[in-house]
Amino acid sequence: GDSVTQMEGPVTLSEEACLTINCTYTATGYPSLFWYVQYPGEGLQLLLKATKADDKGSNKGFEATYRKETTSFHLEKGSVQVSDSAVYFCALSGYGGSQGNLIFGKGTKLSVKP
Amino acid sequence: DTEVTQTPKHLVMGMTNKKSLKCEQHMGHRAMYWYKQKAKKPPELMFVYSYEKLSINESVPSRFSPECPNSSLLNLHLHALQPEDSALYLCASSQKTGTANLGHSTDTQYFGPGTRLTVL
Repeated sequence: GDSVTQMEGPVTLSEEACLTINCTYTATGYPSLFWYVQYPGEGLQLLLKATKADDKGSNKGFEATYRKETTSFHLEKGSVQVSDSAVYFCALSGYGGSQGNLIFGKGTKLSVKP
Repeated sequence: DTEVTQTPKHLVMGMTNKKSLKCEQHMGHRAMYWYKQKAKKPPELMFVYSYEKLSINESVPSRFSPECPNSSLLNLHLHALQPEDSALYLCASSQKTGTANLGHSTDTQYFGPGTRLTVL
């Protein structure tokens, strides 16, 4: 079945450092891909998405490119801030009878130190 | 506006209590979801409503009973819960456009802030 694998954290960075959180997937067909962010004590917020190969999603300085050839959707940011500290989930859209459902990776906790 | 609201924010209940969680969206979305999230884990899908009809029940115990009174509201009725049911309960909604890439939906789910449930 479809699945998402993302790097396990925690990841600790200093402010203004570069961030990459790896995400790879296994899926039938062409799933839509998402990054969600969860700040402490809150629900999930959509960070960015891509629905087809070579699409680049971007938001708040974060970017991710849908790479069909490597089945990847890595999250990147050039300069992180303390306010980026959160848990990041990579997800893909389900297939067939699970169409519209989300399949999540295990999440990566990011801590940014001043 | 992509807001999904949930009430209450926090809920503490005993194992013999009956309580309900409420979720509301006014984005015209026709699919609504309940998820359960334990600490340090991703959300786990519980139920999906599509056009106000239950379309997916992921083998959830009967002590959880969902209800979709109309296209904007989703409730989760709780009865005789166990301490292991303590978790963050998240509601989400999506457009249900029917657009798909070879079987995969392109819809985006928008989540509410969740209800933090503690069962004593």
